Amino acid sequence: QQQVKQSPQSLIVQKGGISIINCAYENTAFDYFPWYQQFPGKGPALLIAIRPDVSEKKEGRFTISFNKSAKQFSLHIMDSQPGDSATYFCAAKEGAQKLVFGQGTRLTINP
Amino acid sequence: DAGVTQSPTHLIKTRGQHVTLRCSPISGHKSVSWYQQVLGQGPQFIFQYYEKEERGRGNFPDRFSARQFPNYSSELNVNALLLGDSALYLCASSEDITLTAFFGQGTRLTVV
Repeated sequence: QQQVKQSPQSLIVQKGGISIINCAYENTAFDYFPWYQQFPGKGPALLIAIRPDVSEKKEGRFTISFNKSAKQFSLHIMDSQPGDSATYFCAAKEGAQKLVFGQGTRLTINP
Repeated sequence: DAGVTQSPTHLIKTRGQHVTLRCSPISGHKSVSWYQQVLGQGPQFIFQYYEKEERGRGNFPDRFSARQFPNYSSELNVNALLLGDSALYLCASSEDITLTAFFGQGTRLTVV
C-alpha cells in the first residue's frame, strides 16, 4: 500500500530557478515528515524535516510547506544550483514506527 | 564524529548463497533500522531494532533476519539469495526510536 505519493518523478530546472517537489500522505497518524537527498551510489542524507504543528520550515535555500488539512507537503529549493542535482525523497513517520518513503524525484539543474 | 558506517560497500553473491551485512551506528545512537532500496525506488523498511530488541519488521520473507549487539551495531542476514534481492541495503541509526534517522552509505548487493 502506497502511503506517501510523490510527484513529479523527474524535474528539470534552470540554474537559479525554484524547484518544487510535492508529496501527499494518507495516514493522519504520521507526525514527522523528513526530506532526504540522495546522490548516485550514496545513502540518503537528511535535508530538512517538519512536524504537523508547523506550516512552514526554512533552512537556507530549502523550505518545507505543510498543509495538514490537505494532507500534503512540499519541498521548495530556491536559487537551484547544479550541485542540487540529485534524487529527493519525501518520507513520513508515526511515532516509533518505520519511515515510509515516497518514490523519489530525480532533479536536474541545468547550468 | 563518524556517521553510520556499513560494510562491505559492494558485494557480489551467487543465487542460493547467504550474505551478512554489517552496520555501526553513530556513537550514542541506540536504534538501528534496515532498508532495502531497489534501483529507481524509495527505500523499503526491513527491520528496526532498539536496545537490542526487534521493534518492527517489514513485509519481507523469513530469509531475512537481523540482530543488534550490546554495542548497538547490527547485522542483516539474508539466506537463499534470489536475483530479486539485488539492491542497495541501507542502515539508519537514531538516538531514540522516535527521532531522526541518519543513513549510512549502503551496501550494494548484486546477486548473479
